[in-house]
This record gives sequence, C-alpha cells and structure tokens, in this order.
Amino acid sequence: DGGITQSPKYLFRKEGQNVTLSCEQNLNHDAMYWYRQDPGQGLRLIYYSQIVNDFQKGDIAEGYSVSREKKESFPLTVTSAQKNPTAFYLCASSIFTGAINYGYTFGSGTRLTVV
Amino acid sequence: SQQGEEDPQALSIQEGENATMNCSYKTSINNLQWYRQNSGRGLVHLILIRSNEREKHSGRLRVTLDTSKKSSSLLITASRAADTASYFCATDAGAAGNKLTFGGGTRVLVKP
Repeated sequence: DGGITQSPKYLFRKEGQNVTLSCEQNLNHDAMYWYRQDPGQGLRLIYYSQIVNDFQKGDIAEGYSVSREKKESFPLTVTSAQKNPTAFYLCASSIFTGAINYGYTFGSGTRLTVV
Repeated sequence: SQQGEEDPQALSIQEGENATMNCSYKTSINNLQWYRQNSGRGLVHLILIRSNEREKHSGRLRVTLDTSKKSSSLLITASRAADTASYFCATDAGAAGNKLTFGGGTRVLVKP
C-alpha cells in the first residue's frame, strides 16, 4: 500500500541533544513538507522540498534542519538551538504541479517531548 | 502565518445532528481544502473546492466557498460518533512549493 511513514511515533529528547525524525513515502510524490503542531493549535510550516537536493525554509525554520537526498525521504533534525521543541511533528507529501496543490497525504506524526 | 481561521473553535452536538464550521482567509486562493484529524493522528484530506466553485458535496459533507467574503463552510450532515475529530481548512494561494496554509481548526465532539 502506498503511503507515508513517520518514525518513531514517540521521541524523548534531553536538553542540548539533536534528534532526527524520519519521514518516508512510496507515493512517488515530488514535494514533501514538515509541519509542527502545538496542543490545540493549527499547523505551522517548518521546511518544504519540491525536488531532490533542494529545500526551502517555512515560517518557523529556526532550530531545525532537513535534507532531501532521495525522493522518498525527508528527515527532520531538531537541533539544540530549538528552544521549545516539545510538539507533534507532521510530515506530508504531495504531487508537485508548480501551480496548484491538489492535497496532501500526511504521515501519522511523531510526538517529541523534551525531558 | 495562518491564512485560515476557523469558527467556532469547538463544537459539541448530539449524534444525528448537523455540524457546521466556518473558515475565513485573507488572500486570493487557487483552492481551499478541508482536512480531518483524529486525536493524536495525522490529517486526512476530505474535500477540495476550487476558487471558481461555490458548492461541493462528498457523501455527508457539503462545502461552500464565497470568494467575495473570503470564507468557506463545512457542513457534516447526520453526524455520527465517529465524526468526533478536529477539522482544519487549508488554503492554496499559489505560493511557491505548492504550500498549504492551515487554520487553527474546529474541535467537534459528537455525543452518542
């Protein structure tokens, strides 16, 4: 079955640590996105990538980094520079048309907690 | 930045009743989409309405779009307990990267 897989489901980070969240898709989608969701809030865009080896900052990129070495994979690293990383992280993918977005497919999310 | 703002923030209804939620946005759009999120899960795409459409149906869902007022509504008819979830509108403003901008969501509780 085609889909988008995020791992791990739960992640605990100590102060000062970097952690990496995995996102893999087998939908052959060109575009991939990372969003952050805080309790009771909407989604805020962290980074996005339209093609392999290219990515752009979203609205809240500070303290995060990404890579896009393969079409299927778009890992997100939460660095120690991110002061308040506790949140629910959602990865999404879509067909990239250059003009119109026809909808995202989302992963099931990773809940990150700082301990 | 959040383009869409949903209203109400929370809604509680009895099973069988209709649920209506609204979304307002600020800039011109290519289309507007609605998503559902069950607690602790990812979002699921429900329906997309293009900027030149005024109304769209999908099963028990009815979406309207008024581009002159920059607003949309989602109606869920004959609600079921399984409809309990948060509902988000998202706008495609033709931004670079095909980005969607999400609103804050409406939390819907359907009581059996």
